[in-house]
Amino acid sequence: LAKTTQPISMDSYEGQEVNITCSHNNIATNDYITWYQQFPSQGPRFIIQGYKTKVTNEVASLFIPADRKSSTLSLPRVSLSDTAVYYCLVGAPFSSGAGSYQLTFGKGTKLSVIP
Amino acid sequence: NAGVMQNPRHLVRRRGQEARLRCSPMKGHSHVYWYRQLPEEGLKFMVYLQKENIIDESGMPKERFSAEFPKEGPSILRIQQVVRGDSAAYFCASSPPDGAYEQYFGPGTRLTVT
Repeated sequence: LAKTTQPISMDSYEGQEVNITCSHNNIATNDYITWYQQFPSQGPRFIIQGYKTKVTNEVASLFIPADRKSSTLSLPRVSLSDTAVYYCLVGAPFSSGAGSYQLTFGKGTKLSVIP
Repeated sequence: NAGVMQNPRHLVRRRGQEARLRCSPMKGHSHVYWYRQLPEEGLKFMVYLQKENIIDESGMPKERFSAEFPKEGPSILRIQQVVRGDSAAYFCASSPPDGAYEQYFGPGTRLTVT
């Protein structure tokens, strides 16, 4: 499983765009990059997943450079309710035949949104 | 469509007692995973089950812990003779057969051992 490195914490004011970068230098060919969000006293919630270039959904965007050794989760115009821990995970989907269902969570990035 | 349900949400046990944690997966999901989260830590995989089968229990402590997912009813994580070090949040997740890397998590059970 590829090891990931992300900042321990970040602060942002409401209304700003927040970018959280994750390093994964030994990412494998079959690996996808997935981000989860966890609020206090709740289970993690899937945010977005991508393989290369850019992926966007109603919640966030995920930017992945050509070498795939890092990725950036972008949250547009954060609000107080976006205060949470954000986890970057790297691995292959089980359905690919070469993957792992064991999601490996690091310590994540604790995002604090300030009014 | 109800999400993953876990109960109880909070459980207090004295040292030496048994703890039973229940998990009902999302409708249509046949795969269940249990994770443990210690304070200020990320989640750690414990066990992966399908109906009536334990697929991978490599993350489960060898003693006192067991898990099952019967043909009918919720998945159960059982901890016998609890110790203080078992105090943690236990999360259950489920996935459809072809989407194991997108797992849907329940709200967790917070176990406190006194």
